Amino acid sequence: QSVLTQPPSASGTPGQRVAISCSGVTSNIGSNTVNWYQQLPGTTPKLLIYSGDQRPSGVPDRFSGSMSGTSASLAISGLQSEDEAEYYCAAWDDRLNGRLFGGGTKVTVL
Amino acid sequence: QVQVVQSGAEVEKPGASVKVSCKASGNTFTDYWIHWVRQAPGQGLEWMAMINPSLGRTTYAQKFQGRLVMTSDSSTSSFYMHLSSLTSEDTAMYFCVYSKYYYASGAPDYWGPGTLVTVSS
Repeated sequence: QSVLTQPPSASGTPGQRVAISCSGVTSNIGSNTVNWYQQLPGTTPKLLIYSGDQRPSGVPDRFSGSMSGTSASLAISGLQSEDEAEYYCAAWDDRLNGRLFGGGTKVTVL
Repeated sequence: QVQVVQSGAEVEKPGASVKVSCKASGNTFTDYWIHWVRQAPGQGLEWMAMINPSLGRTTYAQKFQGRLVMTSDSSTSSFYMHLSSLTSEDTAMYFCVYSKYYYASGAPDYWGPGTLVTVSS
């Protein structure tokens, strides 16, 4: 069971906005920033967001991240068919002295 | 852009050990923390350990302490993950990740393509 909690699934129609939550505690999200990854089947996770809200070069601005307290959120606006994938949040945990991943959220484009 | 390469797929018997290597392009050996993350078939991502050779620091997830050893070779700028006492539950894709910071955020990180380790009798 992951210490960072994500909903197992989310869905939307093309063009819609979808938001994925990632809930933690003080020792992880409450103290450290969050990364978000997108993983298509059979591929390596791709970094979408780092430091909570920063996009690496090449990531479309349809993807945005935010943090508040012990939670983080990834929003996908203007949902496209190629966004159908698994999404993971990750954060360092000061108490465990290790990195944690959320359980993943499967996004389906209806 | 940091390009990461990893060693090829491995098949091991239960009780055996496996060694996976990882190397990146450019002057990355002393500038990054190297994290190891694994993903069992159909499962999520699991952090295993990290190493920083320039600081001489190695940290392991409690779950793997005692049977996981990470090393580095400065002559080849390579990193190695050695996992022993393998069971079927260790069947997974193993990724190495280059990160500027130990907390693996604050800057973009770079993932290797993964090395599939299959444990089967």
